[in-house]
Amino acid sequence: AQTVTQSQPEMSVQEAETVTLSCTYDTSESDYYLFWYKQPPSRQMILVIRQEAYKQQNATENRFSVNFQKAAKSFSLKISDSQLGDAAMYFCAYRSEASGTYKYIFGTGTRLKVLA
Amino acid sequence: GAVVSQHPSWVICKSGTSVKIECRSLDFQATTMFWYRQFPKQSLMLMATSNEGSKATYEQGVEKDKFLINHASLTLSTLTVTSAHPEDSSFYICSARALTGAFFGQGTRLTVV
Repeated sequence: AQTVTQSQPEMSVQEAETVTLSCTYDTSESDYYLFWYKQPPSRQMILVIRQEAYKQQNATENRFSVNFQKAAKSFSLKISDSQLGDAAMYFCAYRSEASGTYKYIFGTGTRLKVLA
Repeated sequence: GAVVSQHPSWVICKSGTSVKIECRSLDFQATTMFWYRQFPKQSLMLMATSNEGSKATYEQGVEKDKFLINHASLTLSTLTVTSAHPEDSSFYICSARALTGAFFGQGTRLTVV
């Protein structure tokens, strides 16, 4: 079975600085997607970024980028120029493409605090 | 695009009653929707996968008779918590599968008193 691990329950970053959130996963599959979701206090889950496993190039979305290391099964999120609005819970998620169910497996989350 | 609306946002019900939560994909058709439960300061736990026109697939340990799921159309899935008890109090979130990924509703906070 697939698992997703986020080993940092909480992180803090100074406004305008850069922070990296860690995520590792375990799978025997070769075809999958990885995601980072943000859950602010409103608890609305918001897609931050996604990465297809077959793509070697790391995904980027404005200030958000990932470091995808397939062999190491690592998928970290880097937030540059952190803003107060980035404060939220961040969940790493795995989605299998092989099973056809499109189920998502979420990590336990990392709470990001942004300090003014 | 890819907006998912969940209703109600919060509900309080008496123990023993049933509560229905709706999940709608507003601007796309979703053949597959998912229902999650989230306990305070914890991750999302998948309860069931809802497929349009067929029976839902429940995760291990989830009581299908307590959590009734209906996916009667391509834009609507409902979760009914039957004979609710205080231990059913939680935050329930739905998501709908779109081409670019899954999009989430805003969640429903259920409190059973």
